[in-house]
Amino acid sequence: GAGVSQSPSNKVTEKGKDVELRCDPISGHTALYWYRQSLGQGLEFLIYFQGNSAPDKSGLPSDRFSAERTGGSVSTLTIQRTQQEDSAVYLCASRSGTIVSYEQYFGPGTRLTVT
Amino acid sequence: SQQGEEDPQALSIQEGENATMNCSYKTSINNLQWYRQNSGRGLVHLILIRSNEREKHSGRLRVTLDTSKKSSSLLITASRAADTASYFCATDSANSKLTFGKGITLSVRP
Repeated sequence: GAGVSQSPSNKVTEKGKDVELRCDPISGHTALYWYRQSLGQGLEFLIYFQGNSAPDKSGLPSDRFSAERTGGSVSTLTIQRTQQEDSAVYLCASRSGTIVSYEQYFGPGTRLTVT
Repeated sequence: SQQGEEDPQALSIQEGENATMNCSYKTSINNLQWYRQNSGRGLVHLILIRSNEREKHSGRLRVTLDTSKKSSSLLITASRAADTASYFCATDSANSKLTFGKGITLSVRP
């Protein structure tokens, strides 16, 4: 079956503009995660959705970042008033069910460049 | 903050040799996972070891976990050029979000 997909694959934007990044998780996966990977850095957790529960937003770096997940499926990560330090690869992952021992399936990522 | 810390940061070996990568972490975990990343894009899950397990095998991969030392190792036997990638350990704690290390860059010379 189809894996996790993300769009766009690359996004170049000017400082100060807003951007929206999209994630389509694997069908039926109730858990969805957003991570950020900066050049030479590990992956930084941003936000976690599990079913209808309130999302875990503890990783969002500032109030310019927000995310929503509509209908328990597609998720959108929005960055307002982008800054150059927002340049990174944004990765989405989904996981089946609520059992924490299940692996996460990652999408190919969106490479964001803020000029 | 980084939970897992891998070492070495970079490893270069000859095809056919074994590659050993280590990971240390700080807090208690439910499980520890290893992922591979090619070309700085999506990650591929390799293997998961639960906190009550000590060793696990999958093909050419062998992972060990020592919870008393809060450390894990990933062994790739008979390495191939196609194993060239970045490898990350990730710990899964009670809140079910993964915390990744900065990764190890493995180069396998043909």
